[in-house]
Amino acid sequence: DAKTTQPNSMESNEEEPVHLPCNHSTISGTDYIHWYRQLPSQGPEYVIHGLTSNVNNRMASLAIAEDRKSSTLILHRATLRDAAVYYCILNNNAGNMLTFGGGTRLMVKP
Amino acid sequence: ETGVTQSPTHLIKTRGQQVTLRCSSQSGHNTVSWYQQALGQGPQFIFQYYREEENGRGNFPPRFSGLQFPNYSSELNVNALELDDSALYLCASSLDGTHQPQHFGDGTRLSIL
Repeated sequence: DAKTTQPNSMESNEEEPVHLPCNHSTISGTDYIHWYRQLPSQGPEYVIHGLTSNVNNRMASLAIAEDRKSSTLILHRATLRDAAVYYCILNNNAGNMLTFGGGTRLMVKP
Repeated sequence: ETGVTQSPTHLIKTRGQQVTLRCSSQSGHNTVSWYQQALGQGPQFIFQYYREEENGRGNFPPRFSGLQFPNYSSELNVNALELDDSALYLCASSLDGTHQPQHFGDGTRLSIL
């Protein structure tokens, strides 16, 4: 699987939007972009995934660049509960075997 | 809907021993994956089981083995434990099919003395 690059950490204020970036310059045409997050003392939790078009669900939005070499996970209104490590993962296999990197640790200030 | 459950939550073993970790998948899920997460790092894929057969394996030695049962629950076995095996072991279940979300349990914390 191609590699992703994320900032080690980011800070946000509560109730403000958060944009978490991910670079994946070597992405292939069959790579889907997946996002998971891991809250303290819990297992990872699926957030969203997409291929080319922007995606929205109840948790977040995923904005994918036109050349697909980068993407941004958008939390529209951060809450204290959103403090977690966010992982951006490229996956091109139907078996869903995920390759996690180091992720971005998001801190949310009240 | 019952989520993924893992047991035990914590375990302490000594070098050279063997350990078995257990995972009950989410209702209706037929695919189970295991991950190892060292402190401060992202999870690393160990292997995946689908319909009781190994369906893919990461870069882990053969002393890491597994089983999946007809009810789709699963076990991870590790023989000849080493100090570096100290980690959080995560189980994830999913439906089969392309890019199905994986549902993770909260893991078993294994400490090797």
